[in-house]
Amino acid sequence: DSGVTQTPKHLITATGQRVTLRCSPRSGDLSVYWYQQSLDQGLQFLIQYYNGEERAKGNILERFSAQQFPDLHSELNLSSLELGDSALYFCASSVAGAAGSPLHFGNGTRLTVT
Amino acid sequence: QKEVEQDPGPLSVPEGAIVSLNCTYSNSAFQYFMWYRQYSRKGPELLMYTYSSGNKEDGRFTAQVDKSSKYISLFIRDSQPSDSATYLCAMIKEGAQKLVFGQGTRLTINP
Repeated sequence: DSGVTQTPKHLITATGQRVTLRCSPRSGDLSVYWYQQSLDQGLQFLIQYYNGEERAKGNILERFSAQQFPDLHSELNLSSLELGDSALYFCASSVAGAAGSPLHFGNGTRLTVT
Repeated sequence: QKEVEQDPGPLSVPEGAIVSLNCTYSNSAFQYFMWYRQYSRKGPELLMYTYSSGNKEDGRFTAQVDKSSKYISLFIRDSQPSDSATYLCAMIKEGAQKLVFGQGTRLTINP
């Protein structure tokens, strides 16, 4: 068990809807990362937060947004959902949020858009 | 061209064999190199973490980094059926925030 908790495990929703994915980092970790994993694209970096502040942005769509709260948990909001958004969404955390700080992943949220 | 290339496999070997998994990369700025193991329906689990060139050993696992060739490897000795999983290489530049992953190699160890 990595210590990173993600909820829900599964989510099925319709196109055009909005969902929120939640992540609690490992105790003591200040940085949270969101990744999307699909069969054809592999693991794609979406966004990183460090101690409540956005630190880096990857290939995150404008329909997606995220935030990290004072208690360090993070939420990823996906809106105007499309079929192509169906994927596994992983949260990871690290102590320092720097290159030398390994990432520890949760078990993901499987999103199915119908 | 992708920054990190990894043969997706699948790779199937008999129990007890030595397994060699590899990645190549194009950006010489990568300094930290990792191997993750991902079981079906689970998140990636950190296996090995190395900085710059050289070897690192942890039990049955050995990670090698050859920066001159832009090539990293993971060796698994005495492979077990429980090693069956997808193995992902990952790397990051000094001072960067974004960890770049390979596509992953699906490995099956046959009893």
